[in-house]
Amino acid sequence: DGGITQSPKYLFRKEGQNVTLSCEQNLNHDAMYWYRQDPGQGLRLIYYSQIVNDFQKGDIAEGYSVSREKKESFPLTVTSAQKNPTAFYLCASSIDQTGRTDTQYFGPGTRLTVL
Amino acid sequence: GNSVTQMEGPVTLSEEAFLTINCTYTATGYPSLFWYVQYPGEGLQLLLKATKADDKGSNKGFEATYRKETTSFHLEKGSVQVSDSAVYFCALSHSGGYQKVTFGTGTKLQVIP
Repeated sequence: DGGITQSPKYLFRKEGQNVTLSCEQNLNHDAMYWYRQDPGQGLRLIYYSQIVNDFQKGDIAEGYSVSREKKESFPLTVTSAQKNPTAFYLCASSIDQTGRTDTQYFGPGTRLTVL
Repeated sequence: GNSVTQMEGPVTLSEEAFLTINCTYTATGYPSLFWYVQYPGEGLQLLLKATKADDKGSNKGFEATYRKETTSFHLEKGSVQVSDSAVYFCALSHSGGYQKVTFGTGTKLQVIP
């Protein structure tokens, strides 16, 4: 079955450590996204990528980094510069249609807790 | 800029009750509108969408109509079930260029037997 996988489901990190969250899709989608979800808030966009080897900052990119070396993969690194990284992280993908947004398909999420 | 406003929850209903979750938006151009649902501990799933004014999206008994004159996209269901308990997000896409999506803050629905 096609879909998006994220790993791990739960992640614990000590303060000062970098950590990388995995996101893989086999939907053959061009565009991929990372969102952060906090209790009582909507989803906030961290980074997005419309094509391999290209990505753009979203609304809250500070303290995060990404890469897009393959179409299927869009890992997110939460660096020690991120002041409040404890949150639920969601990866999504969509078909890239210029001028029109299609449905975004979401992974199951990774819950990151900083100890 | 573009924004989405949803009614605050939680919304608590008895099984078989009628559901309405209000959603209004502010946007330039002609956005597409979406409702996503999130079950506990999971990612979001598309529930329904509408891409132009007066379109009605429907799925699993849920419906929403794109009302440009009132900039609204309210979610309705005639008879809710316990299995509908989840968080519902209204969202819009920005027309033109990159596919950025703006989400509302979500409305938690609790259905009790």
